[in-house]
Amino acid sequence: AQSVTQLGSHVSVSEGALVLLRCNYSSSVPPYLFWYVQYPNQGLQLLLKYTSAATLVKGINGFEAEFKKSETSFHLTKPSAHMSDAAEYFCAVSESGGSYIPTFGRGTSLIVHP
Amino acid sequence: EAGVTQSPTHLIKTRGQQVTLRCSPISGHTSVYWYQQALGLGLQFLLWYDEGEERNRGNFPPRFSGRQFPNYSSELNVNALELEDSALYLCASSPGTGRLTDTQYFGPGTRLTVL
Repeated sequence: AQSVTQLGSHVSVSEGALVLLRCNYSSSVPPYLFWYVQYPNQGLQLLLKYTSAATLVKGINGFEAEFKKSETSFHLTKPSAHMSDAAEYFCAVSESGGSYIPTFGRGTSLIVHP
Repeated sequence: EAGVTQSPTHLIKTRGQQVTLRCSPISGHTSVYWYQQALGLGLQFLLWYDEGEERNRGNFPPRFSGRQFPNYSSELNVNALELEDSALYLCASSPGTGRLTDTQYFGPGTRLTVL
């Protein structure tokens, strides 16, 4: 069975600082991994996805994530935070050969201070 | 290109009532997914419809049901509402090829409050 753990329900950074949002997954088969962002009062928007090609995945808005099989991690990073990055971020996993339904983490709220 | 649309935006009901939520997928998408996002619990998968049929169902009681119409729009019905049904209900659509790598495109959600 697949599962996702997002460490830290809230992450606070200063504008211009590095953003690091952590995601660890559990999967019995090679996973597909996703990061979504949810701005206030909106639905989720895909930031990036890992589909077994390059382990370093670049997404929209300057975000990227690296798939590390040995650590079962897929952490999301951005070199310099903007105020507009303040939102809820969700990591999700799907298993190849699975039910086609991704399992989502509980989300991490990113707070950006001026 | 229009995105996924959901109606209504907000809804207030009382315990025991019934509610119907609606979703229109992106044009050309045949798969529709429903999720419940309760406070602090992340997204919980409810239902998946593709080509008019229910393909998968999450761990929710039978009073949560839905259907998909020939134009691929979908309804989510919740009967005998309980206080814990208060949540944001999100609909997503995808091309429906069945590939795990398909991106799901989400609507803005319907905020349901049960009093």
